[in-house]
Amino acid sequence: QSALTQPPSVSGSPGQSVTISCTGASSDVGTYNRVSWYQQPPGTAPKLMIYDVSNRPSGVPDRFSGSKSGNTASLTISGLQAEDEADYYCSSYTSSSTSVVFGGGTKLTVL
Amino acid sequence: EVQLVQSGAEVKKPGESLKISCKGSGYSFTSYWIGWVRQMPGKGLEWMGLIYPGDSDTRYSPSFQGQVTISVDKSISTAFLQWSSLKASDTAMYYCATLKGSGSAGWFDPWGQGTLVTVSS
Repeated sequence: QSALTQPPSVSGSPGQSVTISCTGASSDVGTYNRVSWYQQPPGTAPKLMIYDVSNRPSGVPDRFSGSKSGNTASLTISGLQAEDEADYYCSSYTSSSTSVVFGGGTKLTVL
Repeated sequence: EVQLVQSGAEVKKPGESLKISCKGSGYSFTSYWIGWVRQMPGKGLEWMGLIYPGDSDTRYSPSFQGQVTISVDKSISTAFLQWSSLKASDTAMYYCATLKGSGSAGWFDPWGQGTLVTVSS
């Protein structure tokens, strides 16, 4: 069982917005702002989309945004495009011995 | 260009040993932690461990402690992941990635292209 909880799947139509949640605990998401999000299209390596809760690396469209409230972080994708269809994973620093925890992943389907 | 290049796909038998590699270039290899991540077929990402090339400080996920060994040769900017006795359940894609941020708290970027390990009799 993953340390961070994500919905298994979300979907939306082109142009719509979707939000993916990532629920952790006070030992990770609730205390630390080291939350990151990764996009993984089928057959490819993960790609960083958001770091430190809400920062976008260079080259990531501003349609992708991140936020956090309490023990839950969220990734919002606005203006959905077909190319956004992929698996999305959240990750957080944790004060437990593991140091790093991932969510179980969310499959985004663009209808 | 900052990149990590991993060794090629491997097909092994149960009980065999294996060492896969991850070579960094385009940045100060000894200044950032490198992590290893497992992805079993059709499953999610699992963090295995971290190594700091500057001093070889290593941390393992409890799930992988004792099951694998992470090492580094900073003279050739390469990190390694090895098994002494493979099991069929080790069949997976393995990714390396550079940990950015401060210390061992941060985000993974960039990622290697992955090494597919298949263990079958």
